[in-house]
Amino acid sequence: GAGVSQTPSNKVTEKGKYVELRCDPISGHTALYWYRQSLGQGPEFLIYFQGTGAADDSGLPNDRFFAVRPEGSVSTLKIQRTERGDSAVYLCASSLTLSEINEQFFGPGTRLTVL
Amino acid sequence: GDSVTQMEGPVTLSEEAFLTINCTYTATGYPSLFWYVQYPGEGLQLLLKATKADDKGSNKGFEATYRKETTSFHLEKGSVQVSDSAVYFCALSPGYSTLTFGKGTMLLVSP
Repeated sequence: GAGVSQTPSNKVTEKGKYVELRCDPISGHTALYWYRQSLGQGPEFLIYFQGTGAADDSGLPNDRFFAVRPEGSVSTLKIQRTERGDSAVYLCASSLTLSEINEQFFGPGTRLTVL
Repeated sequence: GDSVTQMEGPVTLSEEAFLTINCTYTATGYPSLFWYVQYPGEGLQLLLKATKADDKGSNKGFEATYRKETTSFHLEKGSVQVSDSAVYFCALSPGYSTLTFGKGTMLLVSP
């Protein structure tokens, strides 16, 4: 079956603009995660959802970042007033349920460049 | 807070050489431990995992043993192949689902 997909694969924007990044999880996976990977670093946790609700958003760096998952499937990560420091690869992952024993399947990522 | 430290790369080996990539962690409680791999142009994939002390995870010839006394989870392979060239990430999960990753170690295997 299809894996986790993310769109767009690349996004170039100007400082101060608003961007939306989309994640389509594996069908039937109830848990969805967002991570951010800066150059030369490992992925860093941002937020995760169980169903429609954000179970933990403690990794979001500030209030410019927001994520939704209104129907418990597709999720959108929204970044307002983008800054150059937001440039990174944004990774989405999904798992069958919210449990450490369930493998997280990662998408290919969206590379965001803020000029 | 929780953290993962892994050896810096790149690690450069000849085909059929023995591989060790060191990983140590700091965490409260008893986390699950993971190795993820990222092949060139591809997304992160789970390579192996261990959920409790003394467990050994293994896959594709790679192994790692959860050592609570040394807070380590070193990745080993007896004979690497060119196709193993990738970036390897050690990670932990503290009992719920979020993963804390190390910085990654690039492995380059030459024929």
